[in-house]
Order: sequence, then C-alpha cells, then structure tokens
Amino acid sequence: AQSVTQLGSHVSVSEGALVLLRCNYSSSVPPYLFWYVQYPNQGLQLLLKYTSAATLVKGINGFEAEFKKSETSFHLTKPSAHMSDAAEYFCAVTYNQGGKLIFGQGTELSVKP
Amino acid sequence: NAGVTQTPKFQVLKTGQSMTLQCAQDMNHEYMSWYRQDPGMGLRLIHYSVGAGITDQGEVPNGYNVSRSTTEDFPLRLLSAAPSQTSVYFCASTPTGLAGVVPSGANVLTFGAGSRLTVL
Repeated sequence: AQSVTQLGSHVSVSEGALVLLRCNYSSSVPPYLFWYVQYPNQGLQLLLKYTSAATLVKGINGFEAEFKKSETSFHLTKPSAHMSDAAEYFCAVTYNQGGKLIFGQGTELSVKP
Repeated sequence: NAGVTQTPKFQVLKTGQSMTLQCAQDMNHEYMSWYRQDPGMGLRLIHYSVGAGITDQGEVPNGYNVSRSTTEDFPLRLLSAAPSQTSVYFCASTPTGLAGVVPSGANVLTFGAGSRLTVL
C-alpha cells in the first residue's frame, strides 16, 4: 500500500539552527512528493513539490528538500530557523495523476528563542 | 479573494444529529476533496470528486455522504453524528484536465481554512 512516514511528531530547534524534518515514502513507481505547512488555526499551504525534475527542490521561506530514490526519502531542511517557522509540517505523496494525495502524520516544529 | 471557502468554522453537535459542512471554490477546479485531521494521524481522505456528478470514496468514508451537483460546491453530510467524528475538516481543490486526469501530475491542492466539529 502507498504510504508516507514522517519521523518525529515533534521537533524543537533553537532560532538560527538547522531545521531537518524527515519524510520517507513507500513506492515501487516514481512518486510525486510534496511538503505542506499549516500555521495555527489555518489550512495547509504548499511549501514545495517534487515532480521528477531536479532532485533538489527549493520552496518558499528558505525551505528545500532533496529527493533520494535510493533512500526513498524526501527530507525537508532549512539552514537557519526563524521564530515564524513554528508550525506543523506535512509530507504528502501521490503516485498517479488522479489527485489522491496521501499525507504523513505531521511534524510539529517548535522554534526556541 | 479567490479560493476555497468552508462554512461553518465551528460547530457543536449532539450524537445522532445531522449536519452539512459546506465547501465552495471559485477557481473552476474540477477536483475537490474532503479530509479530516486528527492528532497524530495527519490528514485522511474522506471523499473526493473529479467533476460534477462524479464522487468516490477515500480512506475513511463511513458516516459521511457527498454530492457534486455543480463544479463550485462539494458539501459533506453527516447523517447521524458520532463522537468519533469530532475532528477538523478540510476541503481542498485542484484543477484537472479531462475528468480524473491531471495534465502535469503535480497536483497542488488549495485548502480551505477548516471546519472544527465537536460531537458530544
């Protein structure tokens, strides 16, 4: 079955530190991968997406993610955390063009001053 | 502003009551979907639609009904609410080409702000 796993339901970093949020997917066919962010009391917004072009994908707000087929991973990183990055982050995958996204469990990012 | 509009934002129901969560989008998106968000479980797909008159079940369809009479609207109905349906519900849409086919495969969902439902 198609699935996506986010390692760590809560991640806490200090302001200015590296942010690393982990996402692994299960697939026997090439996936389309996404990271969405949800700020408190809001809906989800797209951070970035991978669609089989460049393996390193740059998104909004300084985030980027690298698709590693050998590791079936799509980890999200940001070199320097900002207080405004505190939110919940969701990795999502789809394997066809039918629009059915499967979401991971979510990782809540806290940023300490 | 263009986007996905959900109403109501908050609702409290008693067990056994019925209600409809409304979702409307003004972007002419063919694909619309409903998700529920529960702590530690991410978002789970309830129902989706690839065009007017076409609906299908997602991961967790039991207890919910949908219909799609127009491109713009995709209401979610709870016929007999249960405490297990306490959740935050999100409607999301995306454009497609022919019904069920996304030209680029890169579906970017536009989400509504959510509807928080409590069933007592």
